[in-house]
Amino acid sequence: QLQLQESGPGLVKPSETLSLTCTVSGGSISSSSYYWGWIRQPPGKGLEWIGSIYYSGSTYYNPSLKSRVTISVDTSKNQFSLKLSSVTAADTAVYYCARQVVAGTHTDYWGQGTLVTVSS
Amino acid sequence: SYVLTQPPSVSVAPGQTARITCGGNNIGSKSVHWYQQKPGQAPVLVVYDDSDRPSGIPERFSGSNSGNTATLTISRVEAGDEADYYCQVWDSSSDSLYVFGTGTKVTVL
Repeated sequence: QLQLQESGPGLVKPSETLSLTCTVSGGSISSSSYYWGWIRQPPGKGLEWIGSIYYSGSTYYNPSLKSRVTISVDTSKNQFSLKLSSVTAADTAVYYCARQVVAGTHTDYWGQGTLVTVSS
Repeated sequence: SYVLTQPPSVSVAPGQTARITCGGNNIGSKSVHWYQQKPGQAPVLVVYDDSDRPSGIPERFSGSNSGNTATLTISRVEAGDEADYYCQVWDSSSDSLYVFGTGTKVTVL
């Protein structure tokens, strides 16, 4: 059974960089059938796609966040990572990592999510 | 950017049918996916590619998509179906790419 697990600091100071890693187990991140993505959800609000990466390193970002986002992949560790720079309180959210099917463009597996709070 | 509009809330009695709409410009030309999210949990895919169900999802969940509206239908609603529901598309024609709907809270009376 595929599992995704987010890890990283739960508290980040304003203007600093948020960094999260997603570890994939039970399957290979190098599969050509999937993208690997980050999605976030501010408290009490809806879902927002942040960006996605293919095992080859090709990336797709939400235009509204593109200038601050970097997603990378480490196939040797079966992990992918998110960096979001210059964070503000508006970036406080539960961050999910997820597997996205290339052919169908839907998300079939999600991590449990991790709450990141931006506060001094 | 592509916008998907959902009603904020839908209320339904147990055993009845809930219909959740997802409106978007010519959404019928796209594949629509639906997720269920219960409080404190990650979303779960309940319908993909307009009307297909992942393994383990009850047949009570069905989907349709035509014109400017996609619909998730939950038949014989149960108390355990109370949750937030989100539609989602991949819009390759715009820079938004991966778009979620605004979300609908389904309340079982």
